[in-house]
Parts: sequence; structure tokens; C-alpha cells
Amino acid sequence: DAKTTQPTSMDCAEGRAANLPCNHSTISGNEYVYWYRQIHSQGPQYIIHGLKNNETNEMASLIITEDRKSSTLILPHATLRDTAVYYCIVRLTLNAGNMLTFGGGTRLMVKP
Amino acid sequence: NAGVMQNPRHLVRRRGQEARLRCSPMKGHSHVYWYRQLPEEGLKFMVYLQKENIIDESGMPKERFSAEFPKEGPSILRIQQVVRGDSAAYFCASSAIVGNTIYFGEGSWLTVV
Repeated sequence: DAKTTQPTSMDCAEGRAANLPCNHSTISGNEYVYWYRQIHSQGPQYIIHGLKNNETNEMASLIITEDRKSSTLILPHATLRDTAVYYCIVRLTLNAGNMLTFGGGTRLMVKP
Repeated sequence: NAGVMQNPRHLVRRRGQEARLRCSPMKGHSHVYWYRQLPEEGLKFMVYLQKENIIDESGMPKERFSAEFPKEGPSILRIQQVVRGDSAAYFCASSAIVGNTIYFGEGSWLTVV
């Protein structure tokens, strides 16, 4: 699976949009971009995933660049409960070896 | 639809004892994954199982650790003769079929004293 690069940490003001970048310059054509987050002492929580097109759900939006070398997770109105480590993962989903490989993630701190 | 259920949530074992961690996947899911998270470290893949089969155990320590996912019942991660270094959070995850979204449980926290 392709590697990803994320900033180690970010701050965001409560109520503002949180934009979390991810670089995946070696992504291949059949690899998806997945985002998970882990709130302290909890299990990882699935947020969103995409292949080429931008995606939106009740939690977040995922913007993938046209060349697919980078993406941005957007939390439109961050709350204190969004404080967590956010993981961007590139995943080959076709066959065996389709597990998730976690990197260091971005530690997002939402401040009042 | 209940999520991935893990138990016990917290387990304390003395050095040399055995630890058994159980995982019931989401309803309809036949693929199970186990991950370990050591204190202040990232999540590391351990093993991937389908019903009655181990598909990938490349992340499992060679000794003392084993996993199973029987035809009936939960998946079990078994750690024999536990040592202090086994103290960690163990997360189970499941998916419906190959390539589908993977969902995680809340974890089992093992403390070895």
C-alpha cells in the first residue's frame, strides 16, 4: 500500500472548519483513500473514504485532488468532541492484504 | 445493528498467566482483524481471519500469541504466559467481505502485573 504523509498536529477553533491534509503521492489507480479517527482511549472510528471523486457524509467531506496525490478531510464545524488523532490511510481493497496500515496520524486539538 | 463487540474491556493478568480476548464481529461480517496498540504508540496489525481460516498473521509475535475464528462463536486472541510488555490495548475490527469498510470495536485493555 502507498505511504501517506500527514502533519503531526493541528489546532482548530471550535465552530470553525478543520481542514486536515494528507499526501499520498505514490498512490496507485486502484487504491482508496480512507480516513479514521481515534479519540483518546477509544477504538478507531471510520469517517469516510473515496477513490477519485469528492465524497461527503454526515461527519465530513473528503476532497481528493485530480491527480490523486493528495487529499483533505474537512470537518465543517469542529466541536471539542472532534479532538482526536486523524489517520489518512491508502488501502488496496481487492484481495488479501486489504487490512489497514496506520501511520502516525494528525493530532487535532479543537480549542474553545 | 450492534457494532463490533469486544470483551473483556479491561483485563488484569499476572506474569505467566494466560489472557483470552474475545471479539464478536458486526452482524453479517465474516472477516476479523486484530490490532495492538502499545502505550503511546500507533496501531499495529496483528492478524486477519475469515471463518475458520487465518489469512494473514504477519503481524503476530511468533511465540505465545494465537488467534482463531471458529465457525460458531466469537474470534479469540489468546496470549499465553503473559509478560509486562504485552500490556496494551487490543482492538478487533470486522468487515463484511474483502475490500469493504472495516469497523473497529472499543478495545480490550490488558494490564500485566
